Amino acid sequence: AQTVTQSQPEMSVQEAETVTLSCTYDTSESDYYLFWYKQPPSRQMILVIRQEAYKQQNATENRFSVNFQKAAKSFSLKISDSQLGDAAMYFCAYRSPNTGNQFYFGTGTSLTVIP
Amino acid sequence: GAVVSQHPSWVICKSGTSVKIECRSLDFQATTMFWYRQFPKQSLMLMATSNEGSKATYEQGVEKDKFLINHASLTLSTLTVTSAHPEDSSFYICSASGQGLLAKNIQYFGAGTRLSVL
Repeated sequence: AQTVTQSQPEMSVQEAETVTLSCTYDTSESDYYLFWYKQPPSRQMILVIRQEAYKQQNATENRFSVNFQKAAKSFSLKISDSQLGDAAMYFCAYRSPNTGNQFYFGTGTSLTVIP
Repeated sequence: GAVVSQHPSWVICKSGTSVKIECRSLDFQATTMFWYRQFPKQSLMLMATSNEGSKATYEQGVEKDKFLINHASLTLSTLTVTSAHPEDSSFYICSASGQGLLAKNIQYFGAGTRLSVL
């Protein structure tokens, strides 16, 4: 099974500032997908951003962007201009094309946004 | 994005009874659905994967006879917790992926069901 590691159990950021959440993964595959999901207090999992491994360009979605380093097997999430609504658990996930769309999740990072 | 509806959002039941949780994909055909269990402040633990029309594939350590999964159509999967006990109390989440640009390679999640067994 693939391993996804989020080494930061908790992070905090001042409102309007920028924060980066770390994620590393272990794989021998060359083609795969990576995701960041957000789980606010409502516990609804929300897709934040995704990256295809074959794409060199880092994905961006408004204030959210990733730094995908394939050789280093690193996939960090940068949140710019943090807002109070960004406070949530953030899960990094890996999808292998060989396991029927099964996702492997990291242990999560709890993000607090300080007003 | 695609919408996955999960019901009920919260259910309380007596020990020994069975509870059914429904997961529906509202605007796409879900060829694969996943059922997860989540303990407080922990990550999602995959329980089983179900493909439409096939028997579910359970993860190691998950009791097939306790957690019955049915995926009879491309828009509906159900999880039945049989003879529930207090240790089954947890948060259960379904997700779905399917055909088409909307849902290919992505899992869309339901809002989850909080199960409390008295």
